[in-house]
Amino acid sequence: DAKTTQPNSMESNEEEPVHLPCNHSTISGTDYIHWYRQLPSQGPEYVIHGLTSNVNNRMASLAIAEDRKSSTLILHRATLRDAAVYYCIRHLGSQGNLIFGKGTKLSVKP
Amino acid sequence: DGGITQSPKYLFRKEGQNVTLSCEQNLNHDAMYWYRQDPGQGLRLIYYSQIVNDFQKGDIAEGYSVSREKKESFPLTVTSAQKNPTAFYLCASSRKRRGTDTQYFGPGTRLTVL
Repeated sequence: DAKTTQPNSMESNEEEPVHLPCNHSTISGTDYIHWYRQLPSQGPEYVIHGLTSNVNNRMASLAIAEDRKSSTLILHRATLRDAAVYYCIRHLGSQGNLIFGKGTKLSVKP
Repeated sequence: DGGITQSPKYLFRKEGQNVTLSCEQNLNHDAMYWYRQDPGQGLRLIYYSQIVNDFQKGDIAEGYSVSREKKESFPLTVTSAQKNPTAFYLCASSRKRRGTDTQYFGPGTRLTVL
């Protein structure tokens, strides 16, 4: 199964860091890990992606385990606008398609 | 302003009717995609296209059809053969289909069958 495993929901306090975990134990060497987030009734928005090394951008950081069987999306200071469903996705190297699971619903408390 | 547009935002259809959902992009992307999302679920791939005049079935193509006559346009037709068409439909595009390519999504069309 190409889908990843994520917790159904998580809560965070505003201005605190958030660590969103993802398991992808069947990942192959050519699969990238992508993270997208989706607000209600909107299209998903790209957050970050990586292959082997940890990655940083203006939105978040992505920490990938050495064996690549898991990864963690890090939001350094959660804001109310970060409340969304976060999808951890294997981008299959052989097919080029994104395989979406149910994601993690992140709630941010003021 | 570069991006993806979908129309209409809301669409109502009577049973037995075909409907066509529009998707246009001005990002000069080669690849385009159609996804379906049901309440509380992730996205499922219906069709994708890597180049003009070529498209491939995704995981749930039955009851749907597409065309790719122009690089910037990828309309989706929901036919009467689709048994449960009520859903949120999302169009996306990417430069290519490589692992490094980001997909950009449109705002979606919510289809309701009456």
